[in-house]
Amino acid sequence: AQKVTQAQTEISVVEKEDVTLDCVYETRDTTYYLFWYKQPPSGELVFLIRRNSFDEQNEISGRYSWNFQKSTSSFNFTITASQVVDSAVYFCALRAGGYQKVTFGTGTKLQVIP
Amino acid sequence: GAVVSQHPSWVICKSGTSVKIECRSLDFQATTMFWYRQFPKQSLMLMATSNEGSKATYEQGVEKDKFLINHASLTLSTLTVTSAHPEDSSFYICSARLTGTDTDTQYFGPGTRLTVL
Repeated sequence: AQKVTQAQTEISVVEKEDVTLDCVYETRDTTYYLFWYKQPPSGELVFLIRRNSFDEQNEISGRYSWNFQKSTSSFNFTITASQVVDSAVYFCALRAGGYQKVTFGTGTKLQVIP
Repeated sequence: GAVVSQHPSWVICKSGTSVKIECRSLDFQATTMFWYRQFPKQSLMLMATSNEGSKATYEQGVEKDKFLINHASLTLSTLTVTSAHPEDSSFYICSARLTGTDTDTQYFGPGTRLTVL
């Protein structure tokens, strides 16, 4: 069985603060893929990143960075110098190798206050 | 690249009518598409997996006779909500799976908000 836990339901930060969104996953498969999606108020899910289980390198893309740690089954997402446009619901997701289905976490609603 | 469209973006209908939602992958071919349902402030719930040229695979608890899915081409899947009732009101989202040498990712459409009166 696959499971994704996003313990933070809602987070509020003041603009320019850094914020980290937590994601913990469970799977028995040795090959799997992790994703982060952003869902702004408009509703459309925007793909942010995909990481496979064999690639533990952290990644940075502009103000976004991801910390993948297999030892703790975590795939955390950090936004540096947050902006109001970052306000959205962020979903972490997991797909086990060989399966098509993606399991989503419950999402973390981020509110960036100007 | 990897753009998925949905039509309509919103629809209001009377109870008992049927509503068809289209999902198209605009710049890639997708043998697999997915249909999700999302209630307010909740996560995405997978309804069914749609494979081109074959019958859709429905998740447990989803009525296949109520939610008809057709994936007739590599760029189009449709979801028809038959005899819609107010409890079917929701945000329906489709995604298309893009696979390649270095990628295997679902890209999502903008969603369709269905309101049944």
